[in-house]
Amino acid sequence: DAGITQSPRHKVTETGTPVTLRCHQTENHRYMYWYRQDPGHGLRLIHYSYGVKDTDKGEVSDGYSVSRSKTEDFLLTLESATSSQTSVYFCAMSGTSYTDTQYFGPGTRLTVL
Amino acid sequence: DQQVKQNSPSLSVQEGRISILNCDYTNSMFDYFLWYKKYPAEGPTFLISISSIKDKNEDGRFTVFLNKSAKHLSLHIVPSQPGDSAVYFCAASERNTPLVFGKGTRLSVIA
Repeated sequence: DAGITQSPRHKVTETGTPVTLRCHQTENHRYMYWYRQDPGHGLRLIHYSYGVKDTDKGEVSDGYSVSRSKTEDFLLTLESATSSQTSVYFCAMSGTSYTDTQYFGPGTRLTVL
Repeated sequence: DQQVKQNSPSLSVQEGRISILNCDYTNSMFDYFLWYKKYPAEGPTFLISISSIKDKNEDGRFTVFLNKSAKHLSLHIVPSQPGDSAVYFCAASERNTPLVFGKGTRLSVIA
């Protein structure tokens, strides 16, 4: 298995609280991504990174921020969680281009009450 | 505006038969297409891909066909096995841009 992990795997939080999800990879891959998966919507890109401190917005970036201070870690922050952010979040990585095979983490199930 | 469309949310096929999953796209600049497979409670995994310079790519039981004029691709699984039951995502990329995924099709292979 490709070396990518996510923490926590499950989280329940309350509306208005900040939440940070962590993605950690051991493959020295340049590109990293955060997606959310929702019924009827498939996989939607939230933010992505093309190098340390290089990030950009995806399709559904409102309400989310990211940081990448080192190659192996990509953090997703919900500054003030809302119920609409209840979802399953997947992190992914790819090596040298956007079309390289993306390896996904196991996902984080986030519930915002 | 959905650039990658998988119009069938679900598909049921008998074991041993062919499964055909379809995907349509609207962006004529897409030049690389991929299929990912996802089991419950796991992350998606790469299955097969095709470049726009080809019209077919085969890997074992899996074949992807690309019809650029129709902006359509399909994934054929022959023969289908119960272990193929999963959600299949079609994805496409324009040069130097991140993948765009479809909504997925849930395949059920019935023994």
